[in-house]
Amino acid sequence: ILNVEQSPQSLHVQEGDSTNFTCSFPSSNFYALHWYRWETAKSPEALFVMTLNGDEKKKGRISATLNTKEGYSYLYIKGSQPEDSATYLCALTTDSWGKLQFGAGTQVVVTP
Amino acid sequence: DVKVTQSSRYLVKRTGEKVFLECVQDMDHENMFWYRQDPGLGLRLIYFSYDVKMKEKGDIPEGYSVSREKKERFSLILESASTNQTSMYLCASSSGIGGYTFGSGTRLTVV
Repeated sequence: ILNVEQSPQSLHVQEGDSTNFTCSFPSSNFYALHWYRWETAKSPEALFVMTLNGDEKKKGRISATLNTKEGYSYLYIKGSQPEDSATYLCALTTDSWGKLQFGAGTQVVVTP
Repeated sequence: DVKVTQSSRYLVKRTGEKVFLECVQDMDHENMFWYRQDPGLGLRLIYFSYDVKMKEKGDIPEGYSVSREKKERFSLILESASTNQTSMYLCASSSGIGGYTFGSGTRLTVV
């Protein structure tokens, strides 16, 4: 089992501030890294799939980077809005069938 | 709109009951998964299936079984529900390494 760690466990952000948080993993022995956003009472929603070292993805105000050599991925939220409040999950694809190993998540609360 | 549908959003069951959680997907995906989510622990894999009638144990299979008689349906069975199985249960499907499509979850309380 690959140990996927996310930090911090939770954070509170003022509306308009930018923030970032981390997903770390012990080795590069995986097929892809995924970020999901999970809002209360909804299904987890896919944000990014990242497959290469140095890969960067962007979707609106949210972006992510991947550094497989040093074993981490960052998720950035620029100009946080209340609708960004959610738990952000990081996961690694561990086999060719697509099985995911998840971190415990970072809960983000954006206050007006 | 593609979907993974879980039959119940909330369930309350008594200790010792046999519980069925149903999951149906309409994307013709071969792979289906059952996870449970507990505070501070993240999503933990219970069982998964790569094809009809095939099943594999995940990280925490004890106390659970599964059934996959048709490609679109993957059922999680709690043979004799216990209070430590109170949790949020998530079903997901996928066609490969591109990631999952999730259901909306079933919050099960065992009393």
